[in-house]
Amino acid sequence: AQTVTQSQPEMSVQEAETVTLSCTYDTSESDYYLFWYKQPPSRQMILVIRQEAYKQQNATENRFSVNFQKAAKSFSLKISDSQLGDAAMYFCAYREYSGGSNYKLTFGKGTLLTVNP
Amino acid sequence: GAVVSQHPSWVICKSGTSVKIECRSLDFQATTMFWYRQFPKQSLMLMATSNEGSKATYEQGVEKDKFLINHASLTLSTLTVTSAHPEDSSFYICSARGPGGETQYFGPGTRLLVL
Repeated sequence: AQTVTQSQPEMSVQEAETVTLSCTYDTSESDYYLFWYKQPPSRQMILVIRQEAYKQQNATENRFSVNFQKAAKSFSLKISDSQLGDAAMYFCAYREYSGGSNYKLTFGKGTLLTVNP
Repeated sequence: GAVVSQHPSWVICKSGTSVKIECRSLDFQATTMFWYRQFPKQSLMLMATSNEGSKATYEQGVEKDKFLINHASLTLSTLTVTSAHPEDSSFYICSARGPGGETQYFGPGTRLLVL
């Protein structure tokens, strides 16, 4: 099984500032997908952004972008112009092959982001 | 698009009874669905992978006779917690493999409390 490590249990950021959440993973595969999900207090898991490993270009979704360093197996999430609604638990996830035509997600332990007004 | 619903959102039951949780993909067909369990302030733990028309694949340590999964159609998977006990109290989340197959979309979760 692959492992996903989020080394920051908690982070805080001032509203309108920028914050970066870290994620590293372990894999021997060359082609895979990586994801960031957020889980606000409602506990609904929401897809933030995804990255395909064979793509060199870093994924971007509005204020959210990633820094994907394939050789270093690093996949950090940058949130620009932070908003109060960004406060949530953020999970990094790696999609791994699980047999047949199936894939499953392996999640990190999460980073709790607080946004201060 | 890619909306997943779960029902019920909250359930309280007595010890020894069985509880069924439904997971539906509302605007797409999902050949594969997943069931997770999440304890407070912890990450998601995959319980099983559910493929339409075939038996579910359970993760190591998950009792398949206790957590019955049925994926009878392309839009519905059910998780039945049989003979529930207080230690089964948890937050259960389902997800579905979305169009294109790369991304999982999650339901809003079900809080189960066993008294």
